[in-house]
Amino acid sequence: DQQVKQNSPSLSVQEGRISILNCDYTNSMFDYFLWYKKYPAEGPTFLISISSIKDKNEDGRFTVFLNKSAKHLSLHIVPSQPGDSAVYFCAANPHSGYALNFGKGTSLLVTP
Amino acid sequence: EADIYQTPRYLVIGTGKKITLECSQTMGHDKMYWYQQDPGMELHLIHYSYGVNSTEKGDLSSESTVSRIRTEHFPLTLESARPSHTSQYLCASSEFRTSGANVLTFGAGSRLTVL
Repeated sequence: DQQVKQNSPSLSVQEGRISILNCDYTNSMFDYFLWYKKYPAEGPTFLISISSIKDKNEDGRFTVFLNKSAKHLSLHIVPSQPGDSAVYFCAANPHSGYALNFGKGTSLLVTP
Repeated sequence: EADIYQTPRYLVIGTGKKITLECSQTMGHDKMYWYQQDPGMELHLIHYSYGVNSTEKGDLSSESTVSRIRTEHFPLTLESARPSHTSQYLCASSEFRTSGANVLTFGAGSRLTVL
């Protein structure tokens, strides 16, 4: 039973425009949500997190928005750059443990 | 600069062989994890450890075993590899950041192919 869902397998955006990656979850007991970026043949790298008691967190070009009532979060990348092309994973940290639950990822392609 | 190291990066072996995937971290983290990932799929937790001599199975059933004799070392072993074990194996360790989030740092992964 997948508790973190990324329903868009891929997204293509022009350089300089905004990229919006979406994530839905089913477990109300998640404390934190995290976004990871993964290049081929590498491990995921941490990008940004948000507490379940916040609705927005910003770090440079990356902003994460959380809508608890809809059980939905999104990652905004502005402006998008070709180097942002990678697979982005949404992850959640349950209240009762330390390991993360991951979505299936969304492959972002930023074209020049 | 990687603080968590996995070897081998790539391994192709025959069915029935015993293999050990190595994972070491230099950050002094107590918590370590093994995830398994296939292309287009989520990362599945197969083992975790919260400290020396502590290991637990994750959500995804796995025929592999792990050990944690030293804080920095968390190897994963398959006694008899099968083609169904073909996958990417990702090791991670974690710490709480000032934000309060438990952030996992991943190694580069070990891609295993069993013929």
